[in-house]
Amino acid sequence: EVQLLESGGGLVQPGGSLRLSCAASGFTFSTYAMSWVRQAPGKGLEWVSAISAGGGSTYYADSVKGQFTISRDTSKNTLYLQMNSLRGEDTAVYYCAKGQSGSSLDSVDYWGQGTLVTVSS
Amino acid sequence: DIQMTQSPSSVSASVGDRVTITCRASRGISVWLAWYQQKPGKAPKLLIYGASSLESGVPSRFSGSGSGTDFTLTISSLQPEDSATYYCQQANSFPLTFGGGTNVEIK
Repeated sequence: EVQLLESGGGLVQPGGSLRLSCAASGFTFSTYAMSWVRQAPGKGLEWVSAISAGGGSTYYADSVKGQFTISRDTSKNTLYLQMNSLRGEDTAVYYCAKGQSGSSLDSVDYWGQGTLVTVSS
Repeated sequence: DIQMTQSPSSVSASVGDRVTITCRASRGISVWLAWYQQKPGKAPKLLIYGASSLESGVPSRFSGSGSGTDFTLTISSLQPEDSATYYCQQANSFPLTFGGGTNVEIK
């Protein structure tokens, strides 16, 4: 059974940093692209970032480019999102998402339960 | 960036009704389109990928069609458990983008 378990969310002051983690199990982590998708309170879904299966290619939404860094550790079956210089508009539930195939461009067939990031003083 | 426009933004229908949701891409995306269902407080769930392929375990009352710029999600006979928000997403190019969502309510 595929499981994606996010952690690392919480309350952070504007300008602060957080690192989200997503522990993956139930599939061969190294063969699937992974993404982060966020959802601000009461709003729709926004794709944030993706990383290729091998980790060599990364992609970002313009809204977080230069601010967030996605990475993965195949030895730990874990996906990360390093978030710096956080602003109020980064407040959202952040979902870890598994690509349906090995391609970085793909739909998501499994989602984590989400972790809430709140940026506020 | 490819903009995804969904309509309507909300729909209210009775159990057994046929419900159709439309998604339009700002430029052609072939069949690189997925549909998701999201219930309050829950993660989204994949319903349709490749514009028309039904994800395993999804009831057959859900179907998708379209290619290029115009796509449709159809619920052939609405059930109470289908009350949710539905999103389309293009997977043709980065940045991946979602439609604004359609809230489906049961009368």
